[in-house]
Parts: sequence; C-alpha cells; structure tokens
Amino acid sequence: EDQVTQSPEALRLQEGESSSLNCSYTVSGLRGLFWYRQDPGKGPEFLFTLYSAGEEKEKERLKATLTKKESFLHITAPKPEDSATYLCAVQARGSNYKLTFGKGTLLTVNP
Amino acid sequence: NAGVTQTPKFRVLKTGQSMTLLCAQDMNHEYMYWYRQDPGMGLRLIHYSVGEGTTAKGEVPDGYNVSRLKKQNFLLGLESAAPSQTSVYFCASSYHTNQPQHFGDGTRLSIL
Repeated sequence: EDQVTQSPEALRLQEGESSSLNCSYTVSGLRGLFWYRQDPGKGPEFLFTLYSAGEEKEKERLKATLTKKESFLHITAPKPEDSATYLCAVQARGSNYKLTFGKGTLLTVNP
Repeated sequence: NAGVTQTPKFRVLKTGQSMTLLCAQDMNHEYMYWYRQDPGMGLRLIHYSVGEGTTAKGEVPDGYNVSRLKKQNFLLGLESAAPSQTSVYFCASSYHTNQPQHFGDGTRLSIL
C-alpha cells in the first residue's frame, strides 16, 4: 500500500528563517511526486511535479528535491505570505488515477 | 479563465436528505476527480472519471454516486446523507493522469 508521511506536522518560522519540509514515501514504483500549497478555506494549489530521483524544481523562494525515499521542500528566506499548509502526494506506476496524499505540514511565518 | 468551479460553497443537510454537488471545469480536461478532506487525514479519492460518460470508484465510494454527462461537468450525489459524510469536498481535473490535478475551492458540507 502506498504511504506518504509528512513532517513536521506544524512549523513556525520567523520571516527570513530558512527551513525544509519533509515528505517520506513508500510506493511500488514512483510515477510522480506532487507538491501543493493549501490556504485556509481554499483548494490545493499546484506547485511542483518531480518524476525521478535527483530532480529539482524551483519557484521563487521554494525549491523541491527528490530522492528514492523522500522529497524536501526547501523554503529560503520565507515571508508571511508563505504561510499555508503544504501537501505532498505520490502517484505509483500502474496507477492511472490515484494520488496518495500526506496529511500536510502547516507552515506559519511570523513577521 | 475560472479553472475548476464548485457549487455550492456551503451546505447544511439533515440526516437522510439528498443533494448534488456540482463541479465545472473550463480547461478541456479529460480527467475529473472528487475528494473529501477530513481533519487529521489526507485527501481521499471518492470517485473519478477518465472522460465524458465514464465514472469509476476511488478509495471511499460508499454512500456516493457520480455522473459525467458532459466533459466539463462532474456531479457528486449523496442519496441519503449521514453525519459521517460531514466533510469538505474537493473536485479536481487534469489533462492526463500523470499531469497535475487542479482543484476547486471546495464545498463545506455539514450533516446534522
């Protein structure tokens, strides 16, 4: 059974204090790993897709990396507007529809 | 470009009532999905569709039915609502199965 574990559950940072969020996964052959951002009262907003170990993607202050067992979402010099819940999801090879989501990391960036 | 639009945004039902949640997408996506999100749990797939006229069961399909009569619309029905179906329901769509899914802003449903 595919599993996704995100840590920490919650993270408080000061503005400008860089950190990383972790997504550990167990899947029978990875087809893709997806990062989403979810603001309160909103739906998940797509950030990145990673397909193979060693791959990296960047967008503004966010950088996602992938190994064979986990993915990291690095946040450099965060701002209060980066506060949100970050969700990780995996899709297994042979699954043509199913995404397995983690429970998310609630990030709060204080000014 | 609205993306994925869900109606209604909020609804309160009594146990045993029925209702339909509507999802509409304007991105010409083939694939559409219904999820539920509960506190302390990840998003869970209820039903999905791989094209107009098709539907299939996801992880937690019991108590729900779906229809996709038009490519742009995906309906989720609750025939006889139960308190366990109190949740936030999200619709998503994607161009292909390995492409990112794009989500609506959800329907918050309470069953009393």
